[in-house]
Formats: sequence, structure tokens, C-alpha cells
Amino acid sequence: DGGITQSPKYLFRKEGQNVTLSCEQNLNHDAMYWYRQDPGQGLRLIYYSQIVNDFQKGDIAEGYSVSREKKESFPLTVTSAQKNPTAFYLCASSMGAGTPNEQFFGPGTRLTVL
Amino acid sequence: SQKIEQNSEALNIQEGKTATLTCNYTNYSPAYLQWYRQDPGRGPVFLLLIRENEKEKRKERLKVTFDTTLKQSLFHITASQPADSATYLCALDRAGTALIFGKGTTLSVSS
Repeated sequence: DGGITQSPKYLFRKEGQNVTLSCEQNLNHDAMYWYRQDPGQGLRLIYYSQIVNDFQKGDIAEGYSVSREKKESFPLTVTSAQKNPTAFYLCASSMGAGTPNEQFFGPGTRLTVL
Repeated sequence: SQKIEQNSEALNIQEGKTATLTCNYTNYSPAYLQWYRQDPGRGPVFLLLIRENEKEKRKERLKVTFDTTLKQSLFHITASQPADSATYLCALDRAGTALIFGKGTTLSVSS
């Protein structure tokens, strides 16, 4: 089955700890994205990557970091510098930036910081 | 900065009626606009894409219009069913990079 997987589905962490969210796709897509969604809010872009070994900050990158060492993988680290990390995190991919392609989303990871 | 608004947070209609959702944008001229469906606790699913030079796009019971003069897109679901109940998101392109999403409109279809 082709698609995007995110793990884990639920994640609990203590305040002050860094945590890494996994995102893997087997769609052979060049572009990958991380969004954050809070209750009653739309999706806000954290980081995106158009090609391996390259990524750009989105609208709310502070307190987050990413890497893109492989085409299939785009992990997101939520650092202790993120003031309010509890949220629903969504990873997406598309064929490539620069073309009007649909984005395919993973099932999401719900992060709760205690 | 670019701004996108879906001016109804919630819309309640009866089964069989046509649902019409609105997406307005300012300070931008997108090359295309997309609509997604999101069910609770799940990731959005792509529905339709419409380009700036297209006035209307249809897919089964779905219809999208794009008025670049009014800076508005309308999303219609005809013969609505309870299974259409979900949150619908519109999204604009950012000059070929990532998308800007609206906050969504939650549609409830009652039988």
C-alpha cells in the first residue's frame, strides 16, 4: 500500500523534553511538509522540504527542527524551546513544489506535553 | 500578508439539500486553490483543485467555483448525505511552494 505513515499516533512527554515525530512516505514524492493543528484552527506550516538535504522554515518554525536525509523520511523534533507544544501534528507529501499537486496527509500524531 | 477566510465555522443542513461553503482570500493572487475534507482525528483528504483560469470544476456531487475578481471560491455538495458531515478546508498555493489553509467549515448533514 502506498501512503504516508506517522508514528506514534499518541505521544506523551514531560515538559522540557525534546521529542521526535516520525513521518515516512513510499509515494516517491519529492516534497514533504509538517503542519500543526490546534482546536478550531487551520493547519499552520512548520517546515517543508522540496528535495533531499534541503528544507525551509514555515510560518511557525520556532522551537522545531527537521532533517531530510532520505527522500522517504522527514522527521520533526519538537524541542524544549517550543512554548506550547501540545497539538495535533500532520505530515504531508506531494509530487513536487512548483506544480499544483495535491498533498497527501498522514494520520497525524497527537502530542501532549504534561 | 496573505489571508484566507472560511466565513462559516459551522453549517447545518438537511439531507438532500445543497451545501455551499465559502472561501475568501486577500492580499494575494493564487494560481490555484484546493479543497480538502477532514474527519475528526484524521488527516485531510484532497477533494478538488481549481486553477485561476477555470471558473468551475465538478466531481460527482461536488462543484467548486473560483472568482478571481471577488477573490472567492465556493464549494458545493449537492444532494448532501449524513456521510458528507466533516470539516472542509480550502487552501491556496504559495507561488508554487507550500499551501496556506483556512480554518475550515464544519458541515453537519442531518437525516
